[in-house]
Amino acid sequence: DAGVIQSPRHEVTEMGQEVTLRCKPISGHNSLFWYRQTMMRGLELLIYFNNNVPIDDSGMPEDRFSAKMPNASFSTLKIQPSEPRDSAVYFCASSLVDRNEKLFFGSGTQLSVL
Amino acid sequence: AQSVAQPEDQVNVAEGNPLTVKCTYSVSGNPYLFWYVQYPNRGLQFLLKYITGDNLVKGSYGFEAEFNKSQTSFHLKKPSALVSDSALYFCAVRAPYSSASKIIFGSGTRLSIRP
Repeated sequence: DAGVIQSPRHEVTEMGQEVTLRCKPISGHNSLFWYRQTMMRGLELLIYFNNNVPIDDSGMPEDRFSAKMPNASFSTLKIQPSEPRDSAVYFCASSLVDRNEKLFFGSGTQLSVL
Repeated sequence: AQSVAQPEDQVNVAEGNPLTVKCTYSVSGNPYLFWYVQYPNRGLQFLLKYITGDNLVKGSYGFEAEFNKSQTSFHLKKPSALVSDSALYFCAVRAPYSSASKIIFGSGTRLSIRP
């Protein structure tokens, strides 16, 4: 299995532009997570999907952030408009939900908003 | 509310020596506890977990962790460190019967193994 695949690996954009991050979870996994990692705040959960349905989006920082999961093999995280403080590494993770699930992480997208 | 603390930002150990990375937690009920490792420019990678049973849990790459309920700790250990163990280590906790979204990660401890 190729693992969790994220694209792009690096994204540099200017303030105000729309940014779309993509994630392909491991085949057969039924839960998907978007995390953001920064030096100041560590690893923060943004949103969690179960069977393609958003379950908990309480970590989404603002209305500028939105996430979708149109099917079991694809998810997007969109920031519109982007701001410099959105600069971070964004990770997607998937799991097979049971009470003991472990998370499988992608390699992340390094986002820089200038 | 559940929380997890990693009191050390950095741990430095000589190769061949034993290593310990500390983690304490706060959660109602019996916790689910995890350790993850992050290598440079990579996502987090699962090392081991404690759900129930033996307090000493063995995981990948020779790592183990000991669950101590009275001290609410779940320290990561390895008898003999390797230079390749140098990485960022995260402890995580989840309350039992809670949503999977409630996995809380610690702030991370950078482990540096000198030759």
